[in-house]
Amino acid sequence: EVQLVQSGAEVKKPGATVKISCKVSGYTFTDYSIHWVQQAPGKGLEWMGLLDPEDGETIYAEKFQGRVTITADTSPDTAYMALSSLRSEDTAMYYCAKTKNYHLLSSFDYWGQGTLVTVSS
Amino acid sequence: EIVLTQSPGTLSLSPGERATLSCRASQSVSSSYLAWYQQKPGQAPRLLIYGASSRATGIPDRFSGSGSGTDFTLTISRLEPEDFAVYYCQQYGSSAITFGQGTRLEIK
Repeated sequence: EVQLVQSGAEVKKPGATVKISCKVSGYTFTDYSIHWVQQAPGKGLEWMGLLDPEDGETIYAEKFQGRVTITADTSPDTAYMALSSLRSEDTAMYYCAKTKNYHLLSSFDYWGQGTLVTVSS
Repeated sequence: EIVLTQSPGTLSLSPGERATLSCRASQSVSSSYLAWYQQKPGQAPRLLIYGASSRATGIPDRFSGSGSGTDFTLTISRLEPEDFAVYYCQQYGSSAITFGQGTRLEIK
């Protein structure tokens, strides 16, 4: 069974950095890219970026470029998303998701349960 | 980046009725790389349709997708109580993946 299990909720102060993990199981980690999606309270979905676990290639959305870093470890099979220089507008649920097929750009067939990040002084 | 505009913003229908949701792209979506997701409160999105018209695993056949180029449609043939949720379209044909703003499907 494919599973993506994310780390727990975080509370951070403005200007800090948050790092969220996404532990995967049930498939070959290096065969599918991992994407991260932000969802502010009551708002829609916003794509943040992707990582190819096979070679470490990353692509970031322009909005988050310079503040987001997506990495991965293979022991255990875990992806990470770090977001720096946090501001109140970064208060949101963050999801990891795996691609449905072998392409870097694909629909997302499995999602993590989400990690709530609250930015507050 | 490709901007996706969904309409209507909110759709009020009764169980058993047919729902038609629209997603319009600001430029042509490459190779119909368009997906639809359903999201219920407190849950992660769920993939319904990929490649504009292919149903994802386990999705009932009352859900269907159509369209190409810049105009795409998600149709739910006969609404079940569990179908009332928010629906998002997504394009993944460019290296800047984007989502529509969502359509809320509510019980009339």
